[in-house]
Amino acid sequence: QVQLVESGGGVVQPGGSLRLSCAASGFTFSNYGMHWVRQAPGKGLEWVAVISYDETYKYHVDSVRGRFTISRDNSKNTLYLQLNSLRSEDTGVYYCAKDAVAISGDNYFDYWGQGTLVTVSS
Amino acid sequence: DIVMTQSPDSLAVSLGERATINCKSSRSVLFTSNNKNYLGWYQQKPGQPPRLLIYWASNRESGVPDRFSGSGSGTDFTLTISSLQAEDVAVYYCQQFYSTPLTFGGGTKVEIK
Repeated sequence: QVQLVESGGGVVQPGGSLRLSCAASGFTFSNYGMHWVRQAPGKGLEWVAVISYDETYKYHVDSVRGRFTISRDNSKNTLYLQLNSLRSEDTGVYYCAKDAVAISGDNYFDYWGQGTLVTVSS
Repeated sequence: DIVMTQSPDSLAVSLGERATINCKSSRSVLFTSNNKNYLGWYQQKPGQPPRLLIYWASNRESGVPDRFSGSGSGTDFTLTISSLQAEDVAVYYCQQFYSTPLTFGGGTKVEIK
């Protein structure tokens, strides 16, 4: 069965860095686009970034562009999100999510991980 | 960016009654070349990740009970729970995947009256 397991969250000071990972199993990882979506405490969902199945396409939302970087290692079935220059407003649960359709890039999400909590606080 | 606006913010419905959630996009999410609306619906229960319910505005995801249905086209969409069950208490989100940045509605909290 499909599993997405995030890790790497924690408490970090403003201006600090973290690297989130999402280990995927149960499907052919290299055939699917992958996403990061975050949720501030008690708030709604905010899409953060996407990477295509073959890494040729990446897109980051304006609020994180230049600070966060999405990447993947298809040989390790793992998705990453590098978070730099963190701000208090970046606090929240970060989910990885899988495109429902292989290759095509139709970006709705049929599987989500359980999330990893990032807390930016001094 | 396409702004997704959901209404109401919350609603309380009696068990067995109908719940209706609305979602409006600031621009059409209908791709005319394939006549598909790039709109999905998700359910999120407390402490859990979201779960895909509906895609292409009206296609039910595998395993989703048939009391959940989606409708609408262009800019106006609706998620209907035909007969509310206790396990349907959750926050529901619409999402457009017509263009990046992908955007979600603000969410609608469904409770039991």
